[in-house]
Amino acid sequence: QKEVEQNSGPLSVPEGAIASLNCTYSDRGSQSFFWYRQYSGKSPELIMFIYSNGDKEDGRFTAQLNKASQYVSLLIRDSQPSDSATYLCAVNREAGSYQLTFGKGTKLSVIP
Amino acid sequence: DAGITQSPRHKVTETGTPVTLRCHQTENHRYMYWYRQDPGHGLRLIHYSYGVKDTDKGEVSDGYSVSRSKTEDFLLTLESATSSQTSVYFCAISVERDSPLHFGNGTRLTVT
Repeated sequence: QKEVEQNSGPLSVPEGAIASLNCTYSDRGSQSFFWYRQYSGKSPELIMFIYSNGDKEDGRFTAQLNKASQYVSLLIRDSQPSDSATYLCAVNREAGSYQLTFGKGTKLSVIP
Repeated sequence: DAGITQSPRHKVTETGTPVTLRCHQTENHRYMYWYRQDPGHGLRLIHYSYGVKDTDKGEVSDGYSVSRSKTEDFLLTLESATSSQTSVYFCAISVERDSPLHFGNGTRLTVT
């Protein structure tokens, strides 16, 4: 059973702080990793994707991938109340696969 | 939402009736997907398509069928709806197999 695990939260951080969201995956063959943000009652929207070990930065967001340890994380700097949402980690099952496996999501709450 | 329209947005139906959900895209993307999202399960792939008339099963395909007669349309049919199919259904599209998914607004289906 290929799995993607996330802490369900809620994760509460004060406004302006760094929020750190973590995700572990079981399939060592996984090649592509995605972070989605989902507001309550809305559809998931892509935040970041990362394919290689290391860090990838986009504005206030940084994705970190460590394939040896099988985890991927998302850092949100200068957290804003508008960042309050559920964050979904998704991992492809194998190279060239159509099928993403999603984690159940971590609920983030940014406190003003 | 990346030129993806799902219809209907909400539907209530009775057990045993057939239901068809429609996904229409204007992006001319080759790959289309149907996911369902349930509390405690996250997003799970039902079926996907890699071209006109080319479809395959995902991890939760029992009780569902799909059709894709045109690039822009991907239909999901519940042959005989059951209460366990009450869920939020999301259509997604992607440019390539490993590229990020972009989701439609979702259809909330209730089977009574």
